[in-house]
Amino acid sequence: QVQLQQSGPGLVKPSETLTLTCSVFGDSMTSSNWWSWVRQTPGKGLEWIGEIFYTGDTNFNPSLKGRVTLSMDKSQNQFSLQMTSLTAADTAVYYCARTSNLVPTGFESWGQGTLVAVSS
Amino acid sequence: DIVLTQSPGTLSLSPGERVTLSCRASQSVSSSFLAWYQQKPGQAPRLLIYGVSSRATGIPDRFSGSGSGTDFTLTISRLEPEDFAVYYCQQYYSSPRTFGQGTKLEIK
Repeated sequence: QVQLQQSGPGLVKPSETLTLTCSVFGDSMTSSNWWSWVRQTPGKGLEWIGEIFYTGDTNFNPSLKGRVTLSMDKSQNQFSLQMTSLTAADTAVYYCARTSNLVPTGFESWGQGTLVAVSS
Repeated sequence: DIVLTQSPGTLSLSPGERVTLSCRASQSVSSSFLAWYQQKPGQAPRLLIYGVSSRATGIPDRFSGSGSGTDFTLTISRLEPEDFAVYYCQQYYSSPRTFGQGTKLEIK
């Protein structure tokens, strides 16, 4: 059974860059799955940020206006989110998640979540 | 973007009751790419239903999904105490993937 383990800071200053990493256990980054990031705020609810495939293909939510970069390290079996120019509106719980490319299922596995506060 | 509207916002029910939650899409969700999730406080969402009506691994058969096009429902046939939570629908037919705003089931 796949497990996703998130790591990263809980506090980031305004205008700075957030980097979160999701380590994958029980599955390979080169399997036919999309690896996603989702965030949750009390005001906007659940918001999909973007996804990356093992080939490096990516899709993003246009609402984030080019502030997001996704990358993966196949040797470490992990993938990462970078979000730039943070504001208080980016304060949220961030989740990584897995979606199957073979059988479309939605987000079938999730990380534990990281509460990120944007504050000086 | 496909907007998903869930109703009602909150339901107060008792264990043992049957409940139907609604999710309406602003555009047709073709290919049945509609999922339902359950979320409890402090936890990540858990996939319950995918492809409109297929139960995810380990999900009890009291949970069922139905619908097509723009109207979808999640039914819990007999509420157990552990079912009181927030439920979200989500479409993965088009990008960006979008979620409904959630329906909270609370104990009456």
